[in-house]
Amino acid sequence: EAGVTQSPTHLIKTRGQQATLRCSPISGHTSVYWYQQALGLGLQFLLWYDEGEERNRGNFPPRFSGRQFPNYSSELNVNALELEDSALYLCASSLDGPSFFGQGTRLTVV
Amino acid sequence: QQQVKQSPQSLIVQKGGISIINCAYENTAFDYFPWYQQFPGKGPALLIAIRPDVSEKKEGRFTISFNKSAKQFSLHIMDSQPGDSATYFCAASMSFNKFYFGSGTKLNVKP
Repeated sequence: EAGVTQSPTHLIKTRGQQATLRCSPISGHTSVYWYQQALGLGLQFLLWYDEGEERNRGNFPPRFSGRQFPNYSSELNVNALELEDSALYLCASSLDGPSFFGQGTRLTVV
Repeated sequence: QQQVKQSPQSLIVQKGGISIINCAYENTAFDYFPWYQQFPGKGPALLIAIRPDVSEKKEGRFTISFNKSAKQFSLHIMDSQPGDSATYFCAASMSFNKFYFGSGTKLNVKP
């Protein structure tokens, strides 16, 4: 069974640009969570989607947004990129159970 | 308000020793407490988890101890190995709705 897959694995953007990160959950999982992990730091909760709806968001500015598609895959969009947005972005999925993480997308803003 | 507090921030243990990482939580409605292991450049992987109706759960060299009255739980790694060197995160959730993570503990097991 395939795990959570994220794409791309690495992304380099220029300050001010937009970044789109993608996540495919484990088959059957309806919840998708997004986390930001800056270098050497913990997991900062970004967004939670379930059944296509945004259920909760963390303490991040509105330029961090996303959506969940009918097949439960998800997109995270970061607009007007800033240097401090450079981080590992992790997606996790669950279905009334523990969360399982993907390998992450390493976003570098230059 | 930080829902889950984790300590220590970093830990150095000799090979064969016991690694102990502690977490404390505030919300008594939490009913699921997992631990994740993360290697550099990788996503966190579920290691072991416990429900509050048991005081201890053991899987191989990894044991979770749970103290409901003190609202604390801890991860013990017996016979620690260099391959256990990683960052460990505790977490808590209510009915699997949103997970609150601790700040992480970087474990270094010396050969």
